[in-house]
Amino acid sequence: NAGVTQTPKFRVLKTGQSMTLLCAQDMNHEYMYWYRQDPGMGLRLIHYSVGEGTTAKGEVPDGYNVSRLKKQNFLLGLESAAPSQTSVYFCASSYSLGEGQPQHFGDGTRLSIL
Amino acid sequence: GQNIDQPTEMTATEGAIVQINCTYQTSGFNGLFWYQQHAGEAPTFLSYNVLDGLEEKGRFSSFLSRSKGYSYLLLKELQMKDSASYLCAVVDSNYQLIWGAGTKLIIKP
Repeated sequence: NAGVTQTPKFRVLKTGQSMTLLCAQDMNHEYMYWYRQDPGMGLRLIHYSVGEGTTAKGEVPDGYNVSRLKKQNFLLGLESAAPSQTSVYFCASSYSLGEGQPQHFGDGTRLSIL
Repeated sequence: GQNIDQPTEMTATEGAIVQINCTYQTSGFNGLFWYQQHAGEAPTFLSYNVLDGLEEKGRFSSFLSRSKGYSYLLLKELQMKDSASYLCAVVDSNYQLIWGAGTKLIIKP
């Protein structure tokens, strides 16, 4: 019963490097989300997807790109990492928007940019 | 702007009752969620309210007053494992979740 799986769990990058965070869900959810969580702040939505092949910007999309080529996978890319992107990144998925359907979260990726 | 306020930290005693408040000002309202997040772990769903009133789930209850923009999470018979952060999140008019910063609950023996 995997739910939402994120890889990697930890990563350290140098400024300017690129990387991709992977998220996979096995619940057949249409909706997927990428958040970042910083101390003293609420979860902030980076990008989200309402179905395979679709993506949309959230509250803080700058410096990130995403792709949803398959329904079960949602990838988050950092093209040129900056220290301000040091954070914990959470992927989530849900059956629908609203209607009381909760979002299910992965265990997070702890990313440090030096 | 959209705003959700929760106390930063609360302390309670094992076996006692604690109430965690959440006030919100958002563009539209389509429901309110409470999540629990243990340190270093993922948020997990606790409750959902969309109509005014109290929803009870075992030791946990959640209350909503839409006219006051107010909710609370009530935890009874506190256990040490309840030490965690509790996140309030409102579904806005675009069906996006707006998250509070969370309340860190410390349980003392």
